[in-house]
This record gives sequence, structure tokens and C-alpha cells, in this order.
Amino acid sequence: ETGVTQTPRHLVMGMTNKKSLKCEQHLGHNAMYWYKQSAKKPLELMFVYSLEERVENNSVPSRFSPECPNSSHLFLHLHTLQPEDSALYLCASSQNPGSWDEQFFGPGTRLTVL
Amino acid sequence: DQQVKQNSPSLSVQEGRISILNCDYTNSMFDYFLWYKKYPAEGPTFLISISSIKDKNEDGRFTVFLNKSAKHLSLHIVPSQPGDSAVYFCSAYYLGANNLFFGTGTRLTVIP
Repeated sequence: ETGVTQTPRHLVMGMTNKKSLKCEQHLGHNAMYWYKQSAKKPLELMFVYSLEERVENNSVPSRFSPECPNSSHLFLHLHTLQPEDSALYLCASSQNPGSWDEQFFGPGTRLTVL
Repeated sequence: DQQVKQNSPSLSVQEGRISILNCDYTNSMFDYFLWYKKYPAEGPTFLISISSIKDKNEDGRFTVFLNKSAKHLSLHIVPSQPGDSAVYFCSAYYLGANNLFFGTGTRLTVIP
């Protein structure tokens, strides 16, 4: 595998479920990001991690819980979501946090909350 | 409130002609502007950027123009090719902030 991979690619969950999104980067980068893209809305940066430490949390509700166990892996744990949380969730990585023009994105996980 | 706006959700252009994608912003503190391109079922990929101290940056068929007084930038693609058909996102950031602000995207269709 090369680049940034995300699993699953599609996820349907109920509001009471707990699920996790997984992201893995094979680029040796030190920074990883979670983004959310809702229909007809701009891509929104949710979390920024640098060397496994969270450096930014853009006012994301606590029902979204990120985890970065090492510099190659990033998870987004989901619990008690709402239907409005249905969106495309994109993971990205870059060599350093804020290296936006060197950012590589994964293909995303399409999440539907029923 | 959206700080980066792309008011045209879609654009169709004939192959070989020029494509012009527009972007407006509200925050005069932005230091850099970036364009990303996204194909279906793939993540966005970085295309071209421009610093706020410049008014033009060119890379092959792609040129970005910045008009700071109007808080407006545009991406020109010439000549347009069918493979350019994708969604284009304008984005911006200011130095020292761990945040990147995106527009909603413009879907470009290049007709062969």
C-alpha cells in the first residue's frame, strides 16, 4: 500500500452504535489530519496531530474522539452520532503540521447515520 | 461564517478552451492560497498555490491570479483537457495557525 489509506470506505450506523474510522499513511509523515465534508458545505478541518500529539481541535463535538497511537495511524472513534453527522470523512498527512501544500489525502469514508 | 467562497458550483468548458475558476475570501490575514483538485472516489490533491505577496503563479497549463484589493483569486487552465474534469477547491491559511479554510468547490467538466 502506498499513500494514505482509509477503512472502511463506506459505513452505515445507527445513532446508538459505536464505530471507528481508520487511517494509515505510508509516507513517513509526522502530521495527520481529520476532515469532514458535508453536502454543500466546505471541507472542515476537525483535528490535527503532530507526532501523535493533538495540536488542534476545531470545536468538534465530543461524540467524535480521535486517537493517534503512532505517527502512521489515526483513528476517529464515533459514538452516539446524529444524522447531521453523515458526511465524507477524509484523512490526510503531511511531513509537518501546517505543510498544507504537501498534504496527501486518503480517499475518505462515506458515513451515513440513520 | 465562510471565509473562502466559491460561488459557482459548476462550470462546463469545451476542450482546448480556457477554464476560469473563481474564489473569493473575506479574511485579509490569509498568507497563502491553495487550489486542490478532486476526482470521484479519491481524496483531494494539491494543484498550485500562491503567496499573498504575489499576484500570479504559473505551473504549466495552470495559472493562479490573486487580486488582494478585491480579495479574489482565480485559477486558469489553458488549454483545458478532458482529464481536467474534477472538483476544484480553493483554500487559504495564515501562517502560525493550524487551520486551512476551504471553499465548497467548483465542478469542472471539460467537454471533448
